[in-house]
Amino acid sequence: DVKVTQSSRYLVKRTGEKVFLECVQDMDHENMFWYRQDPGLGLRLIYFSYDVKMKEKGDIPEGYSVSREKKERFSLILESASTNQTSMYLCASGLASQGGYEQYFGPGTRLTVT
Amino acid sequence: GDSVTQMEGPVTLSEEAFLTINCTYTATGYPSLFWYVQYPGEGLQLLLKATKADDKGSNKGFEATYRKETTSFHLEKGSVQVSDSAVYFCALSDLWENNRLAFGKGNQVVVIP
Repeated sequence: DVKVTQSSRYLVKRTGEKVFLECVQDMDHENMFWYRQDPGLGLRLIYFSYDVKMKEKGDIPEGYSVSREKKERFSLILESASTNQTSMYLCASGLASQGGYEQYFGPGTRLTVT
Repeated sequence: GDSVTQMEGPVTLSEEAFLTINCTYTATGYPSLFWYVQYPGEGLQLLLKATKADDKGSNKGFEATYRKETTSFHLEKGSVQVSDSAVYFCALSDLWENNRLAFGKGNQVVVIP
């Protein structure tokens, strides 16, 4: 079974802090993704990566950056956390298969910025 | 760009009732279509998928048929259980859009005993 793990299930940070969210996958997938999930807005893509050291902006990259130094690990960084970044953050990994492009999700990190 | 539209609002129904959640899509290429489910406190899990027109995806009693003529991928289950209470997301991936997944906003399903 594919396993995607995230470093924390719950996190509370103060405004202005630098926040790191870590994601690790164990299936040698090339592609990894960070989403945030908010009520009424569904899932929105923040950043994604097709390979080590590569990154692409998603739909809402402002206020975030990412790092992918190893294939299995994809980090989301909030340079200076703000209260409007309080959200559920979901990491996913995947590859393009002949049967369609599936993504596998971690359990999520619920971040609260006070 | 590609997009997915799900019916508005939560769905509340009784155990053993028939469930339908509507999903329509807009895509420039030849998308693959997915339904994901999110149980309380968990991440998303792939429920079923279909990769070409007229394909039917099925899993755990749920079914959805890829209808190109109506650009739809409606989710159905004949007899729901309390354990089916979750949020359901329709999604598509399209090679022309770099294989990104586009998600609908999700539907909360509540099954009452």
